[in-house]
Amino acid sequence: DSGVTQTPKHLITATGQRVTLRCSPRSGDLSVYWYQQSLDQGLQFLIQYYNGEERAKGNILERFSAQQFPDLHSELNLSSLELGDSALYFCASSVDHSRTLHFGNGTRLTVT
Amino acid sequence: KNEVEQSPQNLTAQEGEFITINCSYSVGISALHWLQQHPGGGIVSLFMLSSGKKKHGRLIATINIQEKHSSLHITASHPRDSAVYICAPYGNNDMRFGAGTRLTVKP
Repeated sequence: DSGVTQTPKHLITATGQRVTLRCSPRSGDLSVYWYQQSLDQGLQFLIQYYNGEERAKGNILERFSAQQFPDLHSELNLSSLELGDSALYFCASSVDHSRTLHFGNGTRLTVT
Repeated sequence: KNEVEQSPQNLTAQEGEFITINCSYSVGISALHWLQQHPGGGIVSLFMLSSGKKKHGRLIATINIQEKHSSLHITASHPRDSAVYICAPYGNNDMRFGAGTRLTVKP
């Protein structure tokens, strides 16, 4: 058990809708990272937060946004969903960017 | 050319064999992660390296920063090592990922 909790495990929704994915980091970890894994693109880094502040941005679409709350949990918001957004979304946490990553079990999003 | 190249893409081994997975990257990095993804989808971080060599049980990871190359070795491979292994160089607040090496270890 990595100590990182992601909810929900599975999500099925329709095109055009908006969903929110939630991540609770391991106790004591200040950094939260979001990743997308799709069949055609593989793993991609989306965004990183550190202690409530955005630290780094990767290949995150403008339709996607994230935030990290004072209790350090994070949410990834995906809007105007398209079929191509169907993927596994992973959250990971670490003490800081130079330390080992701890991954959640992922949220499998299916857009129909 | 991809920024991160892993080889081989697929690898089948007999139990007990010594395994090597290679990763070459073209970006500047401050560290490199080796990840393991099991068929169920979960990802585990095996190593984070910024120089030299690290060992954990039967797994050894090495990195040569000058040559921009890292290797993951598995000694005395076991069927439970069957998984996808992914290298992920990290630098400039960005992480890239290799396409992964699918390892199957047969009993």
